[in-house]
Amino acid sequence: DVKVTQSSRYLVKRTGEKVFLECVQDMDHENMFWYRQDPGLGLRLIYFSYDVKMKEKGDIPEGYSVSREKKERFSLILESASTNQTSMYLCASSSQAPGLATETQYFGPGTRLLVL
Amino acid sequence: GNSVTQMEGPVTLSEEAFLTINCTYTATGYPSLFWYVQYPGEGLQLLLKATKADDKGSNKGFEATYRKETTSFHLEKGSVQVSDSAVYFCALTRNTGNQFYFGTGTSLTVIP
Repeated sequence: DVKVTQSSRYLVKRTGEKVFLECVQDMDHENMFWYRQDPGLGLRLIYFSYDVKMKEKGDIPEGYSVSREKKERFSLILESASTNQTSMYLCASSSQAPGLATETQYFGPGTRLLVL
Repeated sequence: GNSVTQMEGPVTLSEEAFLTINCTYTATGYPSLFWYVQYPGEGLQLLLKATKADDKGSNKGFEATYRKETTSFHLEKGSVQVSDSAVYFCALTRNTGNQFYFGTGTSLTVIP
């Protein structure tokens, strides 16, 4: 079974702090994704990555950055946390099977971040 | 562009009732369609998927049929259980980069 783990289930930070959210997958997937989930807004894509050291902006990248130094690990960084970044953060990964648009995304359990 | 629209919630049903959650999509080309489920306090899990027109995805008594003519992928279950209480997300992907587009989610509560 695919396993996607996230470093923390719950996190409380202060405004202005630098925050690191870590995600690790164990299935050698090429693609990794960071979403935030807010009530009434569903899932919104922050950043994604197709390969090591590659990154692409999603729909709401402002205030975030990412790092992918190893294939299995994708980190989301809040450079200076703000209260409007209080949210549930979900990491996902998928295989990049050539020629297919059918691959499932596998999700981690989420990190609920509260910025005070 | 690509987008998914699903019915607003919350939905409350009695146990053994019939469930339909509507989902329609907009996409160029031929997307693959998915339903994910999120149980309280957890991440999303794949419930079912369909990769081409007229395909039916099914799992745990849930079904959805890929209807290209109506651009729909409605989720159905004949008899819901309390354990089906969760948030359900419809989603599509249409390229090998595997970027997903999610609906806003529909919260389902099943009461005994």
